[in-house]
Amino acid sequence: NAGVTQTPKFRILKIGQSMTLQCTQDMNHNYMYWYRQDPGMGLKLIYYSVGAGITDKGEVPNGYNVSRSTTEDFPLRLELAAPSQTSVYFCASSYRGGRETQYFGPGTRLLVL
Amino acid sequence: GENVEQHPSTLSVQEGDSAVIKCTYSDSASNYFPWYKQELGKGPQLIIDIRSNVGEKKDQRIAVTLNKTAKHFSLHITETQPEDSAVYFCAAGDSGGGADGLTFGKGTHLIIQP
Repeated sequence: NAGVTQTPKFRILKIGQSMTLQCTQDMNHNYMYWYRQDPGMGLKLIYYSVGAGITDKGEVPNGYNVSRSTTEDFPLRLELAAPSQTSVYFCASSYRGGRETQYFGPGTRLLVL
Repeated sequence: GENVEQHPSTLSVQEGDSAVIKCTYSDSASNYFPWYKQELGKGPQLIIDIRSNVGEKKDQRIAVTLNKTAKHFSLHITETQPEDSAVYFCAAGDSGGGADGLTFGKGTHLIIQP
């Protein structure tokens, strides 16, 4: 049981490039989340999903897209990278929504230059 | 929406002393309050949580208290050890559905001085 896994661990992007951050969970959780963490700013919700085929925006969705074709996978897409997207990105999952523990992946550190 | 305030942003204590981190929340519908610990280079991990039908919960050296009337909750760590050094986040969630999950505080960097 690996929990929540994320790839890559670290990536450098040039302005305007695109990339996909991968997230997989093996706990059969319905809910999955993407957060970004900036220094001193805590965790901000980008997108979330309550099940396969269903996604919704969080607090800071601009510049990102998501899809949820399976229960296990919840990739985050950056289409035109900007320096403001330099951050650490965490994927999380939970069995049910705001009432339950969220389990976090190890994070992806992204640097946009 | 929910707003969670966390204080202090940095806390330095001597090894063996106690540490207290405080959070306030704004939405009276919130009734699930977890605390996460984040070590350097890792994702946050749950260390303790409390639901609104309980005023206090304890797990060895860690305890959490909740005052629903005042809308605040606190994390207490006793007999602090070097491995307690980390960033701690409080959060609030709504058990009424809360599809968008938890609202997090901005974190407290706890430093244990030897």
